[in-house]
Amino acid sequence: AQSVTQPDIHITVSEGASLELRCNYSYGATPYLFWYVQSPGQGLQLLLKYFSGDTLVQGIKGFEAEFKRSQSSFNLRKPSVHWSDAAEYFCAVAPSGTYKYIFGTGTRLKVLA
Amino acid sequence: DAGVIQSPRHEVTEMGQEVTLRCKPISGHDYLFWYRQTMMRGLELLIYFNNNVPIDDSGMPEDRFSAKMPNASFSTLKIQPSEPRDSAVYFCASSLVSLGGNTIYFGEGSWLTVV
Repeated sequence: AQSVTQPDIHITVSEGASLELRCNYSYGATPYLFWYVQSPGQGLQLLLKYFSGDTLVQGIKGFEAEFKRSQSSFNLRKPSVHWSDAAEYFCAVAPSGTYKYIFGTGTRLKVLA
Repeated sequence: DAGVIQSPRHEVTEMGQEVTLRCKPISGHDYLFWYRQTMMRGLELLIYFNNNVPIDDSGMPEDRFSAKMPNASFSTLKIQPSEPRDSAVYFCASSLVSLGGNTIYFGEGSWLTVV
């Protein structure tokens, strides 16, 4: 069965520090991969997505993610975190051509001033 | 463009009452999804529609839940009767099939509390 693992439930970083949020998936073929962000009381906003092609994907708000097939990973990175990045981040996977998104359990990011 | 619009944003109801959540998808989108988010279970897909037709309702928890999409711009999720364990955030989302793949856009959610 397909699954998504976000091993870090909480992460705390200082403002200006770099960030990496981990995501691992279990799926036989290359799925569609997504990162969403959810601010408190808000819906989920798409940060970036990977369908095919270049394995380094650029998203909004200065985020990027790299698809590594050999590691079944799709980690999210940002070189310098801003206080406004404090939120919960969800990785999601969908088998190619389907809408059956499977979401990870989320990583809550706290940013220290 | 307006995003996915959900109403009500917050609802508090008593156990046994009927709850109706409403959704207006992004204009032109041909897929509509209902998700539920809880602390215990995370984000769960309840049901999704394509061109107003239910495609997969395997995530609907039980017969107390029903969803309809009478036209391309409106959908409802109904819970009757409601129970405290239905307390959650219910998200509606929509998508348009494109060559660039499948991307789902979420509304801001309906926060349901059943007491």
